[in-house]
Amino acid sequence: TQLLEQSPQFLSIQEGENLTVYCNSSSVFSSLQWYRQEPGEGPVLLVTVVTGGEVKKLKRLTFQFGDARKDSSLHITAAQPGDTGLYLCAGNFGNEKLTFGTGTRLTIIP
Amino acid sequence: NAGVTQTPKFRILKIGQSMTLQCTQDMNHNYMYWYRQDPGMGLKLIYYSVGAGITDKGEVPNGYNVSRSTTEDFPLRLELAAPSQTSVYFCASSYLGTSSYEQYFGPGTRLTVT
Repeated sequence: TQLLEQSPQFLSIQEGENLTVYCNSSSVFSSLQWYRQEPGEGPVLLVTVVTGGEVKKLKRLTFQFGDARKDSSLHITAAQPGDTGLYLCAGNFGNEKLTFGTGTRLTIIP
Repeated sequence: NAGVTQTPKFRILKIGQSMTLQCTQDMNHNYMYWYRQDPGMGLKLIYYSVGAGITDKGEVPNGYNVSRSTTEDFPLRLELAAPSQTSVYFCASSYLGTSSYEQYFGPGTRLTVT
């Protein structure tokens, strides 16, 4: 069973600060996705990374895939209250299923 | 497109009762999935389907059953509900041709078994 560990589990910061959350596995991913989930809703896909070392940007969010494709990070610049939510990474290991991490619950304080 | 729809949104069951959670997608996606999400936890895969007539177990299938008679519908059946099945259930779909299996989620069904 492949495991994905996310850290930190909880993060509460002031508006305008920067932050990074991490997703790690002992196995090599075929691809990795990041989702954001707001209370009472289903997760929504933010990005997919496929190539080792790949960096993708989505406005103030920067996603990086590790060179060995075993880890990923999400960096948010100048966090805003609208960034509040549960951030989930999900790894694909070469089949039609995803394995989800336990998530990072982010709270941005105005 | 409505995307992935789930009904009901909330349900309370007594121990031993049965129910079916409905899931429909209108995106013509081949792959469909059922997950449960417990407080403070990520998503655990219950069952999935790669196409009509084909289903397979995920990580936590015990106490559940599924069927996939059409591309659009993927109902999840709970038989003899137990308190351990109290959770939020999400249905998701993904499309043939993706190599990454990006998933589109429904809004969830919050189930309480007492």
